[in-house]
Amino acid sequence: QKEVEQNSGPLSVPEGAIASLNCTYSDRVSQSFFWYRQYSGKSPELIMSIYSNGDKEDGRFTAQLNKASQYVSLLIRDSQPSDSATYLCAVIDSNYQLIWGAGTKLIIKP
Amino acid sequence: EAGVTQFPSHSVIEKGQTVTLRCDPISGHDNLYWYRRVMGKEIKFLLHFVKESKQDESGMPNNRFLAERTGGTYSTLKVQPAELEDSGVYFCASSQEWGNYGYTFGSGTRLTVV
Repeated sequence: QKEVEQNSGPLSVPEGAIASLNCTYSDRVSQSFFWYRQYSGKSPELIMSIYSNGDKEDGRFTAQLNKASQYVSLLIRDSQPSDSATYLCAVIDSNYQLIWGAGTKLIIKP
Repeated sequence: EAGVTQFPSHSVIEKGQTVTLRCDPISGHDNLYWYRRVMGKEIKFLLHFVKESKQDESGMPNNRFLAERTGGTYSTLKVQPAELEDSGVYFCASSQEWGNYGYTFGSGTRLTVV
């Protein structure tokens, strides 16, 4: 079982709609969770971090964390073509290592 | 503030050759991390420096990889001799605090071993 799992996609969402990205993790003691965005040929860019159960909103982005179910999600409201990228979920495990999912490719269609 | 800088951005070498990748972290960041992404796979941790000391090198694949961070500033990652399976994108990241924080990544070095 992979430590951090994401659907590879591609996930295709019409412009203006809500994009929903999901991630599950296996290490129950993980405390810190991150969403990175990576454009093709570029480095990962941190867009959201979340540490507590519930929702955290930042502009058009909302991260949701449910530690009991071991999943973290990212919602992107009013999706724009510029949101098209690969979204990487990353979790800091009990060894303080950042463990990555393989990423979900998101395509926003105009 | 300058970001994390890596070079070269691309490197193509033959199997058996040596390549050295360099990472300049954000000034003042004691923590420096190396990660690697092989095509189609998830990003994998290689090692973590705190200043000049190796805090965790459990992700280093084998003894062909040597990382150094002399003086606690920039870091180098040497692959000697390179093998085909070493091809991938090598990312460096730095952070001021160690622990539960997101990191700032460099743009990566794309290594191709032919």
